[in-house]
Amino acid sequence: KNEVEQSPQNLTAQEGEFITINCSYSVGISALHWLQQHPGGGIVSLFMLSSGKKKHGRLIATINIQEKHSSLHITASHPRDSAVYICAVMDYGGSQGNLIFGKGTKLSVKP
Amino acid sequence: NAGVTQTPKFQVLKTGQSMTLQCAQDMNHNSMYWYRQDPGMGLRLIYYSASEGTTDKGEVPNGYNVSRLNKREFSLRLESAAPSQTSVYFCASSVLWGAGELFFGEGSRLTVL
Repeated sequence: KNEVEQSPQNLTAQEGEFITINCSYSVGISALHWLQQHPGGGIVSLFMLSSGKKKHGRLIATINIQEKHSSLHITASHPRDSAVYICAVMDYGGSQGNLIFGKGTKLSVKP
Repeated sequence: NAGVTQTPKFQVLKTGQSMTLQCAQDMNHNSMYWYRQDPGMGLRLIYYSASEGTTDKGEVPNGYNVSRLNKREFSLRLESAAPSQTSVYFCASSVLWGAGELFFGEGSRLTVL
């Protein structure tokens, strides 16, 4: 069973394009995380949100709790945005404090 | 400010050998986690420590043991490595168990031959 689904799996964009990555989940959640992983690199937390919208620089994350859906938007994309973007949800009913991770969306931004 | 530091970054083992992955955080976080990342799969929780003095199994604990040495340090031990344990391992920490932003280490790539 896939409790967290991300789309698309792979995304290629031209520099400057507006990018949207989607995350759908099937469980009740207390929070949702967006993470970034550069090739061969570590993982960095971009956003943690439980409602509404958050913005940091060119990145915007939104969540719709009723529809169990979140989106990560990148405005004016740049080659340095090339990375894998991972959605993870904190299962509201989970007893382990366990995050459930999506498989990631690989983004490649061409100059 | 180093954040989360894990060592070693790379390791090659033979089947049956043992090793310990070390993790330390300098953010005074209460909770620490060990994950593994395999191709085509999401990160999976191996063990976690909600607070100093406690450890609990995650989704895939078989073949691993952990020690929360103090508030800063959380180690992962493979007693008898198997090829199925070839993976990239990430240590992470957060202020509170199951809540708050996660801070990850750089990862440790382990190959078991």
